[in-house]
This record gives sequence, C-alpha cells and structure tokens, in this order.
Amino acid sequence: EVQLVQSGAEVKKPGESLKISCKGSGYSFTNYWIGWVRQMPGKGLEWMGIIYPGDSDTRYSPSFHGQVTISADKSISTAYLQWSSLKASDTAIYYCARQDEGGGYWGQGTLVTVSS
Amino acid sequence: DIQMTQSPSAMSASVGDRVTITCRASQGISNYLAWFQQKPGKVPKRLIYTASSLQSGVPSRFSGSGSGTEFTLTISSLQPEDSATYYCLQHMTYPWTFGQGTKVEIK
Repeated sequence: EVQLVQSGAEVKKPGESLKISCKGSGYSFTNYWIGWVRQMPGKGLEWMGIIYPGDSDTRYSPSFHGQVTISADKSISTAYLQWSSLKASDTAIYYCARQDEGGGYWGQGTLVTVSS
Repeated sequence: DIQMTQSPSAMSASVGDRVTITCRASQGISNYLAWFQQKPGKVPKRLIYTASSLQSGVPSRFSGSGSGTEFTLTISSLQPEDSATYYCLQHMTYPWTFGQGTKVEIK
C-alpha cells in the first residue's frame, strides 16, 4: 500500500528555522516525483514545488523560490520542506503528494503555526 | 505561469441535481488536468486524472471532460456527501497551478 507519512504539527516563532518531512512507503520512492502544496487558513491549494528523489532534480513555483528549500534523502525514502527564517505568513497546512498525474497519493498534512 | 480559472467560485444545489464546474486554462494544457475534492479538515482527494479518467473507488456520478483550455467536472446526481470544495490542477507546465476552488453546498 502506498503511503506518505508527514511529520507532526509545529509551533515556531518568527525568524526560526524548520524542516518538515514526508516519508514514502509501499512503492519505489526514487521513481516518482514528490511535490509540496500549501494551504493557508481558510484558503485554497497552492503548488509550491517538486523533487525527483532519484536525482534530486527540483523545480519551484516562482512564488516560493528562495523562500523554501525542497530536498530528499532517497536512502530513507523521505522528502523535506524547509525554511531558514519563518514568517507569520508561513502559517499553513503543508501537504506532500506523489505527483503522478497530478497527485494520486497525499500525506496527511503538517500544520505549521508561526506566532510570536 | 499558466492561470487556471474555475467557475463558479461557489454554488448551492439540491440533492439529485446535475452540477457542472468549469476550469479554463490561460493556455493549452492538452489533457494534463486533474480534479480534486476537499472536505473541511480533510486531505484533498483526486477524483479525475488526465482530464477524464475516473480515479479508482470514486463514484461513477463524477466525470470529467475537456482538452486544451476548457475542462469540466460534472456530478450527475448530487449527493449530500458531495458537499466540498473542488479544485482543478494543471500539471503540463511548471509551475503546476491549481484553480481557486469551487465550494459546493447542498440546499
């Protein structure tokens, strides 16, 4: 069974760093792109970027390029989304999704709350 | 970037009604389009891929059509459990882009 399991909810202060994770199982992790999607409170879905764990080829939405870093460690079948300096506006739920035909498998989401 | 414009933004319909949601792309995307359903507090769920292919396990009252720049998601007979927000996603060109969503409520 294909599963994507994300790390737990985080509460951070502005300016802090953060790295959240998405662990894939039940399929060949290196053979499928993994993407990240943001959903701010009460808002729609925003596509952030995508990584191919096989060779770490990464693409970003211009809206998120330079604001976050997407990476993957294929040895442990895990993709990451990280921030070096969080802002209050980064408060959102972040989903990872296996990006076959747009995304047939999604993680459960990670709620990130940034507040002073 | 390719802009995806969904219409309507919200709608209310009765059980048994036929519901159609439209998604227009700012440029041609062939059939690289998926539809998702999201209920409050839940993870988005893919309903349709490659514009018209029904995801396994999704009720057959859901269907998708279109190619190029105009796409539709149709619910042939609306059920109470279909109350949700629906999103289209183009995945032909980076950055992939979602429509702004259509909230469907049951009268």
